[in-house]
Amino acid sequence: DTAVSQTPKYLVTQMGNDKSIKCEQNLGHDTMYWYKQDSKKFLKIMFSYNNKELIINETVPNRFSPKSPDKAHLNLHINSLELGDSAVYFCASSQTSGGNEQFFGPGTRLTVL
Amino acid sequence: AQKITQTQPGMFVQEKEAVTLDCTYDTSDPSYGLFWYKQPSSGEMIFLIYQGSYDQQNATEGRYSLNFQKARKSANLVISASQLGDSAMYFCAMREGPPNFGNEKLTFGTGTRLTIIP
Repeated sequence: DTAVSQTPKYLVTQMGNDKSIKCEQNLGHDTMYWYKQDSKKFLKIMFSYNNKELIINETVPNRFSPKSPDKAHLNLHINSLELGDSAVYFCASSQTSGGNEQFFGPGTRLTVL
Repeated sequence: AQKITQTQPGMFVQEKEAVTLDCTYDTSDPSYGLFWYKQPSSGEMIFLIYQGSYDQQNATEGRYSLNFQKARKSANLVISASQLGDSAMYFCAMREGPPNFGNEKLTFGTGTRLTIIP
């Protein structure tokens, strides 16, 4: 009964390729996020969606396109991958009412060669 | 200016001792939330504890407690009776503003790597 799941866990690909990462949450939360963790372990918000609507878009290259088909899913598509895109990408979810704790998925380690 | 500052890049603590991980924050918003997450070597981010800016009492969750000193803008994590499994990276994070339908981005500190020595 995983709360926030991501696929794939590892992704190794060549520069210039296009790839997608999928995220699903079964917590009934109304908000989902994508964060990027770089090689120095620094975590930074990329996007947030509330009820399928894009709320936060944090100066991310437009090669990155999130899509939320429904409240429980948030996918991340990356076009024309670059070496600097290598990182761990975390999906997270939260419920607006309450403490607003964000629960994270296991992460997807993307390596661009 | 850094919004979240964690001044201890690494700490070594003897098993069963208590440990305090420092976190200071910077915001002018009267409503905010402070979070601590644990990231073990396996890589997942585990939510530990939350403190709201208007909460009167310090948050506690089992062996974790948050020493919230609002005037000093500090939110230190205290782990009592440390265990070997506590060895991990620990991140302090802040949400500025009240929960607001998706605008609740977390700003993270640079983390503290805690190693528990048997």
